[in-house]
Amino acid sequence: DIQMTQSPSFLSASVGERVTLSCKASQNINKYLDWYQQKLGEAPKLLIYNTNNLHTGIPSRFSGSGSGTDYTLTISSLQPEDVATYFCLQRNSWLTFGSGTKLEIK
Amino acid sequence: EVQLKESGPGLVQPSQTLSLTCTVSGFSLTDYSVHWVRQPPGKGLEWMGVMWSGGSTAYNSALKSRLSISRDTSKSQVFLKMNSLQTEDTAIYYCTRGPLFAYWGQGTLVTVSS
Repeated sequence: DIQMTQSPSFLSASVGERVTLSCKASQNINKYLDWYQQKLGEAPKLLIYNTNNLHTGIPSRFSGSGSGTDYTLTISSLQPEDVATYFCLQRNSWLTFGSGTKLEIK
Repeated sequence: EVQLKESGPGLVQPSQTLSLTCTVSGFSLTDYSVHWVRQPPGKGLEWMGVMWSGGSTAYNSALKSRLSISRDTSKSQVFLKMNSLQTEDTAIYYCTRGPLFAYWGQGTLVTVSS
């Protein structure tokens, strides 16, 4: 089974700051990597699919990149409404979620 | 409008069987897959399994021996059954539409306790 390791597990950043979250797979996942945002008490929300495709309605400050085993989610200018936990999901071989990065405002 | 809604008992006794229903609208089960994902309180997400549009299923290897997913296309419902429940199965259980999880149910909290 493919394992997904997210880092950091917790991140505190200032409004307007550029933020980068990482997700590392235990083997090549061929860019089948999605990012989800989950706010407290809500279901996850799809942000980015297949590494770098922005889902409909998602603000352009969110972007994704990566290949092979290493992937990143970048928020270009952190906003207060971005406080949430972010999960990555690999769909190359069955499905595995990362353990999440909890993002807060400093 | 695409909608999914989970339903089932909020409390299950240890060693018993969990039965959940995901009722969908706005799409056909013969066109899209439906997946089950769970989340223990305060923890991460775990993919459980899938009902493919063609009617076949696949399961997380860690749950395969305890899990069964079925459907009734005439009622637009997908069913999850998991036996031998333990306290660590306490979680919010979600159904979500594949292949991209853009649509989710609101989730249903299942507590395993005597």
